[in-house]
Amino acid sequence: GAVVSQHPSRVICKSGTSVKIECRSLDFQATTMFWYRQFPKQSLMLMATSNEGSKATYEQGVEKDKFLINHASLTLSTLTVTSAHPEDSSFYICSAQPGEATNTQYFGPGTRLTVL
Amino acid sequence: EDKVVQSPLSLVVHEGDTVTLNCSYEVTNFRSLLWYKQEKKAPTFLFMLTSSGIEKKSGRLSSILDKKELFSILNITATQTGDSAIYLCAVGNTNAGKSTFGDGTTLTVKP
Repeated sequence: GAVVSQHPSRVICKSGTSVKIECRSLDFQATTMFWYRQFPKQSLMLMATSNEGSKATYEQGVEKDKFLINHASLTLSTLTVTSAHPEDSSFYICSAQPGEATNTQYFGPGTRLTVL
Repeated sequence: EDKVVQSPLSLVVHEGDTVTLNCSYEVTNFRSLLWYKQEKKAPTFLFMLTSSGIEKKSGRLSSILDKKELFSILNITATQTGDSAIYLCAVGNTNAGKSTFGDGTTLTVKP
């Protein structure tokens, strides 16, 4: 149980294009999903907290117009990297939390984004 | 601001050794402390600790929380090469349920 999928697992795109990453909780409903970014040999950096049906809460320093988050249902959140640049290349990981009474997060397998 | 500090940052041991990973924290409105293991992809959940002094155990891994001294340890006995990974400690508060992650401990187990 508690499986989270993420798609695509790997994407290469040209500078200036937009990329959408999907995060789905497959066997539970997630009122809250989180989006992280991870650089090589570094820990997870929280980008934003996404709650179903409401606007995402972005961490300080994360541009909300560049990283668009939509949490349309209790099982799906999407992250769109708009007008991607090489510095946006990174490993993006989502996680889903199965309720407000727990901090346990179940992580997706991550998306490796490379912007040329 | 919530803070989680893990030590050591990296550790190299040989198969069969026992290791102890440390996690200290400062957080307002503490709710739980979580340990995750990250190999090549995303982290996988190991333990959630909410009460002091109660050991959680899963095979060769165990963990315990001290809410008075604000730290937790993760023990791995009889290490195997498959234990090589980054071990992440996270502390969750009651505010929006989000967690603050430490920088992780990179464990390398040599044959």
